[in-house]
Parts: sequence; structure tokens; C-alpha cells
Amino acid sequence: AQKVTQAQTEISVVEKEDVTLDCVYETRDTTYYLFWYKQPPSGELVFLIRRNSFDEQNEISGRYSWNFQKSTSSFNFTITASQVVDSAVYFCALIFTSGTYKYIFGTGTRLKVLA
Amino acid sequence: ETGVTQTPRHLVMGMTNKKSLKCEQHLGHNAMYWYKQSAKKPLELMFVYNFKEQTENNSVPSRFSPECPNSSHLFLHLHTLQPEDSALYLCASSQDGQYTDTQYFGPGTRLTVL
Repeated sequence: AQKVTQAQTEISVVEKEDVTLDCVYETRDTTYYLFWYKQPPSGELVFLIRRNSFDEQNEISGRYSWNFQKSTSSFNFTITASQVVDSAVYFCALIFTSGTYKYIFGTGTRLKVLA
Repeated sequence: ETGVTQTPRHLVMGMTNKKSLKCEQHLGHNAMYWYKQSAKKPLELMFVYNFKEQTENNSVPSRFSPECPNSSHLFLHLHTLQPEDSALYLCASSQDGQYTDTQYFGPGTRLTVL
């Protein structure tokens, strides 16, 4: 089965705390892409990162970092020194092609950062 | 100007009504997408248009009918919907419809079917 699991439905942290959002995926394909999107209260999804299955390098972008581990089929997202503006729903997605391309999204993790 | 706009932002309709959702992108992209976001469910890709041609239809019921008159506009025509069709409908666009493309999303239309 091809699926994405975001086991954390909702996380609350106090501002300036670090927080990690988990993403575990399953796929039979050897070529695939993983994405993270942020959905603020305004509704539109905002692209955060794309990673292909052959690139296991971790990535850091400002306060955001991503840890991709194929051995555990995980693509976790860490926010360092969280801010109230980070409050949103975060989605992990798996994209692969088997004839036609398929997008499999997780159910999302709602992050609440309290002042 | 916002890259991807959607109208209306909110829509309430009865099961016998016919309505249309509109999406417009100002990014010069060639691919456009419709997604359905239901409460407590993963985001579902419904349709993909690439250079005005429909390239994906993920087993969507025929009561949803997409239309893409040009690369900048995408419509979703709705008729005889069911209450379970109530959801947030998101439109997105990307440069060329490659599955690795970054997609840019609109704010969505919140649809309620009574």
C-alpha cells in the first residue's frame, strides 16, 4: 500500500520551543518525491520543501529543518524556536508515478504555538 | 496580486442546485489542479489539466465536471451534489504539470451542501 501517516493530530508548544512533526510513508516505488506543505488559517497550502528518493541529505532553511531517512521511511520536519506565526496545519505528501502520477497526502498535523 | 484566486470563497447549495467554482492563476503556469479537502481526511487530488487538456481524473463522480478553457482559468461545475461533498475545494497551479513541480494553491472555496 502507498500511504502517508502523520500520527500527531495536534501539537501545542510554547513560543521559542523546538517542535518536530513526524511523517512516515509507505511506497513500493523506488522513485518518489516527498513534500511538506503549510496550511495557515487563510486556507491556501504553501510549499515548504521537496525531496526526491535518491537524495537523503538533510536540509536546513532558517528555523526549518528536515530529516529524511529511507531506512525508517520517515521525513520529519523540525521547527526551531517556534513562533506564533508558525501556527498552521502541516501536511506531508508522497508523490510517485505508476503510469499516472499519484499524490498521497497525510491527514496533517495542527501546530499551535502559544505566546 | 495573489497568484491563485478562487471564487466564491464560501458557497452553500442545495442538493438540486447547479453551481460553479472558479479558479484563476496569474503565474503564467500551464497546469492546474482541483483538490478536495474534507474534515479529518487526507487531501484528495481530483483533476489535473495540463496545457488545457485533462490528464488526470481520480475516479471523481460525474456530478463534478471540470472545465479548463485556457491555461489561466479552471472551473468546477457542480450538480446534484450530496451532503458528503461538503468540503474545502482547493485549486492549484504549477509550471508544467510534472509531478515534481511545486504547486501554488489558492485559498479554497468552502462548500456546504444542504
